[in-house]
Amino acid sequence: GENVEQHPSTLSVQEGDSAVIKCTYSDSASNYFPWYKQELGKRPQLIIDIRSNVGEKKDQRIAVTLNKTAKHFSLHITETQPEDSAVYFCAASKNFGNEKLTFGTGTRLTIIP
Amino acid sequence: KAGVTQTPRYLIKTRGQQVTLSCSPISGHRSVSWYQQTPGQGLQFLFEYFSETQRNKGNFPGRFSGRQFSNSRSEMNVSTLELGDSALYLCASSLAKGWTDTQYFGPGTRLTVL
Repeated sequence: GENVEQHPSTLSVQEGDSAVIKCTYSDSASNYFPWYKQELGKRPQLIIDIRSNVGEKKDQRIAVTLNKTAKHFSLHITETQPEDSAVYFCAASKNFGNEKLTFGTGTRLTIIP
Repeated sequence: KAGVTQTPRYLIKTRGQQVTLSCSPISGHRSVSWYQQTPGQGLQFLFEYFSETQRNKGNFPGRFSGRQFSNSRSEMNVSTLELGDSALYLCASSLAKGWTDTQYFGPGTRLTVL
């Protein structure tokens, strides 16, 4: 089955700097890659997703890149703010009738004011 | 639109008991997936229901089961509870229509087994 590895497990950055979280996946049939943000005691919330037919997607300060050949994808957060502090999870699925998301182990991001 | 809702939000049970958790998806969403979240194992897929049928299943023992009703609401049941079943149980719903399969999570049910 699919295996998703996520690095780093913890990340601290100064407010205003950029943060990058990387994930690799094992199943070349995976074609949908969402990122979720989970604040303490709250539900995971989708912040951005990318499908295998594109290499990059951006939404304001957040961007995701996908390299299908290398089977890895990354989350980039620019101009970080204190409210970006949370645990971030990457995930992968095969889409089209396969709703099973395989998650990475999470990255605890701390923004230092 | 109202988001995904789950009841109850908190549950305390003892070993050997059984428990039923409920999930109401976003209106119009046809797929409901269940996940277990623990500090040690992270987020793990339990199963997914679509049109009242289990379409996908994770690697959990048969003590974990579920069902989906005609209105897409779903329940999951855990029988003969073990201490290791203590976790946050999350459900997620999606439209499950072609590319529009983004999953939206509910707030979860925190299960504590004593």
